[in-house]
Amino acid sequence: GAVVSQHPSWVICKSGTSVKIECRSLDFQATTMFWYRQFPKQSLMLMATSNEGSKATYEQGVEKDKFLINHASLTLSTLTVTSAHPEDSSFYICSADPGTGSNQPQHFGDGTRLSIL
Amino acid sequence: DQQVKQNSPSLSVQEGRISILNCDYTNSMFDYFLWYKKYPAEGPTFLISISSIKDKNEDGRFTVFLNKSAKHLSLHIVPSQPGDSAVYFCAAKAGGGNKLTFGTGTQLKVEL
Repeated sequence: GAVVSQHPSWVICKSGTSVKIECRSLDFQATTMFWYRQFPKQSLMLMATSNEGSKATYEQGVEKDKFLINHASLTLSTLTVTSAHPEDSSFYICSADPGTGSNQPQHFGDGTRLSIL
Repeated sequence: DQQVKQNSPSLSVQEGRISILNCDYTNSMFDYFLWYKKYPAEGPTFLISISSIKDKNEDGRFTVFLNKSAKHLSLHIVPSQPGDSAVYFCAAKAGGGNKLTFGTGTQLKVEL
């Protein structure tokens, strides 16, 4: 079946560091990928929609200069958390839309646990 | 504003019995609904979906029911197995778009 790979799975870094998370679709091309954030015992909150070859679309309240998204190819999107602070600590998950039909389910990566000290 | 709600944060069921997970939504523009299963430290895995033109969809042990007038859907798992223990999220999307709105999840525990 479709596989989405997300890397790294866990990051611990100092406050002020920038962290890059990669999301790859391994066996299909994805013109659209999505980035979510999940706080403990809460829902997955959509942060932004990543479109190959164009600018990402951010949800209301998400700082685009804080969370930089690049979707340079049909199989790779990256999320960079710039100048990360402890409040950015969270579980970040990406998904990819296979785009083979309007109701095809998104396929998710295994997430990245980000801890900022 | 939580447009998709799962009011039961947890559910415990005996192996072999039926598990019923519930989901309510408020946005009448939602026309496609999905259930995902999530294990700790993993991403969600797609289980089953239903279009708003249907009221039931079945796939093996999993059946999803949709009641549009009540803006309510449910996932039935029968018979429940210990491996079904996970967090279950319902999600919805509107108008042929691809953005998903997720509920808060229900932790299902299937006990021996």
